[in-house]
Amino acid sequence: DVKVTQSSRYLVKRTGEKVFLECVQDMDHENMFWYRQDPGLGLRLIYFSYDVKMKEKGDIPEGYSVSREKKERFSLILESASTNQTSMYLCASSPYSLAGASDTQYFGPGTRLTVL
Amino acid sequence: AQSVSQHNHHVILSEAASLELGCNYSYGGTVNLFWYVQYPGQHLQLLLKYFSGDPLVKGIKGFEAEFIKSKFSFNLRKPSVQWSDTAEYFCAVNKRGSTLGRLYFGRGTQLTVWP
Repeated sequence: DVKVTQSSRYLVKRTGEKVFLECVQDMDHENMFWYRQDPGLGLRLIYFSYDVKMKEKGDIPEGYSVSREKKERFSLILESASTNQTSMYLCASSPYSLAGASDTQYFGPGTRLTVL
Repeated sequence: AQSVSQHNHHVILSEAASLELGCNYSYGGTVNLFWYVQYPGQHLQLLLKYFSGDPLVKGIKGFEAEFIKSKFSFNLRKPSVQWSDTAEYFCAVNKRGSTLGRLYFGRGTQLTVWP
């Protein structure tokens, strides 16, 4: 079974703090993703990475950065947390496929972040 | 703009009722299609997927979905829902040949099944 783990299930931070969310996958997947999930808005892609040290912006990258130093680990960084970043953050991974036939994404349990 | 539309935000059914959740996408070209489900307190998991072949695909727990290319649709169905199907359902699309594996998600449909 594919395992995607996230460092925390719940996190409470104060406005202005630097926040690190960690994600680890154990299936040697090339692609990794960070989403935020908000009621009525579904999943919105923040950043994704298709290789070590490679990253691409998603639809809502503002206020976030990412780091991928090792293949199995993808970190989301909130440089200066704000209250509008209170949300559920989901990490996912998927294998590389030139034909796109194996693009199933596997999700972690999520981190519910509250910024006060 | 590229988008995935789920027509119903919240669906409420009684047990044994039939279910159909709509999903339309606006991409040209060949796509892979997915339905994901998120049960209360659990992580998002794959319900079913379509890559090629028979446009009627069967997934877990008695769900199925039909890809109608001419309508750009991939509707999810179940003939008789159970209380345990209460969950949020997300439709997603991937553009075939995209090496980056990006999925585009709809906004989700919350299904509530009353016993």
